[in-house]
Amino acid sequence: KQEVTQIPAALSVPEGENLVLNCSFTDSAIYNLQWFRQDPGKGLTSLLLIQSSQREQTSGRLNASLDKSSGRSTLYIAASQPGDSATYLCAVMFSGGYNKLIFGAGTRLAVHP
Amino acid sequence: DVKVTQSSRYLVKRTGEKVFLECVQDMDHENMFWYRQDPGLGLRLIYFSYDVKMKEKGDIPEGYSVSREKKERFSLILESASTNQTSMYLCASGTSGGGDTQYFGPGTRLTVL
Repeated sequence: KQEVTQIPAALSVPEGENLVLNCSFTDSAIYNLQWFRQDPGKGLTSLLLIQSSQREQTSGRLNASLDKSSGRSTLYIAASQPGDSATYLCAVMFSGGYNKLIFGAGTRLAVHP
Repeated sequence: DVKVTQSSRYLVKRTGEKVFLECVQDMDHENMFWYRQDPGLGLRLIYFSYDVKMKEKGDIPEGYSVSREKKERFSLILESASTNQTSMYLCASGTSGGGDTQYFGPGTRLTVL
């Protein structure tokens, strides 16, 4: 069964820390992996999309890596700020499945001043 | 900008009522998806459609049906709402090309009393 797991489920850090969110998936046959941000009660905002042929993507203070062979991705947030507080979701588009996304349960991040 | 809109942000219904959730996208996407999101479970796929009048069951289709009469519109129907269908419902759309992202609507928070 294709599954996506995120660790940790919740994280609380002081402002300014660099942090790493982890995502693992069970099948290396993927189209892409995507990281989303979700604020409370809101929809999803796409942060980074990594195609299966890529190893990483960067946007501002965010960097996401992909290791297909080990079934892992990490989202690195540099110099965290209170405005980064949100839930971060990892989603995998496995090959051959009508472009369906399988989501992890998310990591709830709180950055305190 | 891609836009995915959902008919209601908040909805309160009574047990046994028939409920319609509407989703409209303006990007001529082939694929449309309905997810529900519950605390600790992440997003789970209910149904998706890869063309007009075509539909496929996702991971949790029980108690739901869908309709796609026009390419831009995808409706989720709860034939007889139950309290365990209280949840956040998210609609998404995307192209059929392998590797493209999905674009999400703002979500509908449904409460069934």
